[in-house]
Amino acid sequence: EVQLVESGGGLVEPGGSLRLSCAGSGFPFTAAWMNWVRQAPGKGLEWVGRIKSKTDSGSIDYAAPVRGRFIISRDDSKDTLYLQMNSLRNDDTGVYYCTTRNGPYGDLPIDYWGQGTLVTVSS
Amino acid sequence: EIVLTQSPGTLSLSPGERATLSCRAGQTISSKSLAWYQQRPGQAPRLLIYDTSIRTTGIPDRFSGSGSGTDFTLTISRLEPEDFAVYYCHQYGGSPRHSFGQGTKLEIK
Repeated sequence: EVQLVESGGGLVEPGGSLRLSCAGSGFPFTAAWMNWVRQAPGKGLEWVGRIKSKTDSGSIDYAAPVRGRFIISRDDSKDTLYLQMNSLRNDDTGVYYCTTRNGPYGDLPIDYWGQGTLVTVSS
Repeated sequence: EIVLTQSPGTLSLSPGERATLSCRAGQTISSKSLAWYQQRPGQAPRLLIYDTSIRTTGIPDRFSGSGSGTDFTLTISRLEPEDFAVYYCHQYGGSPRHSFGQGTKLEIK
C-alpha cells in the first residue's frame, strides 16, 4: 500500500523558514517523481513544485509564487522528500500535500496524496 | 502559463439529478493532459478521471469526462449523496508543469 506521511508543519512568523518532510513507502521511491501541492484554508489546490527521479535527471520545477524561496530535495536512502520554505509570507499559509504516482513516471495525473501538514504563517 | 477556469463556482442539485461541470483552459491542451479530482471535506483529493475521459480504477461509471482543445466537462449522470463535494480539474505536462482549476462545489439543493 502506498503511503505518504508529511511532517514538519507548524506556526512560523512572516519572513521565517520551515522544512517539511514526506516519508514514502509502498512504492519504488527512488524511481518516483514527487510533487508538493498546497491548499490555503477554504481555497483550491495549488501546485508548488516537482522533483524528478535521479535516473530522470533529478531536475526540479517550481510554481512562480514560490520560485527563489522554496527548495525541493529528496534523500532516496531514506525514501524522504523535503520542502525547504524560506522568506515565508502570510499567503503561504495552508495544508501542504506530498503527492506521487505509482508509475509510469512523468508530469502525469496524481494518484497518491499524503494526509497533508498545516503551515501557518502569522505574527 | 496554462490557466484553468472552472464553472460554475457552486452547483446546487438534488440526488438523482445530472451534474455538468466545466473546465476551460486559457490555451489549447492535449486531451492526454486533463484530469478531474474529487475532494470531500477534511480529505485529500481523489483522482477520478485522467486523459480527459479515462476513469481511474474503482470510480463508478456514472462519472464521465469529455472535451478537447480548451473546453472539458465532467458529467455525473445520477447524483448519489456521496458525490456532493468539491471537484477540481488539473492539467499536467504543460507550463507550468501542473495547474489546477479553482474548483466547483457541488452541494445538495
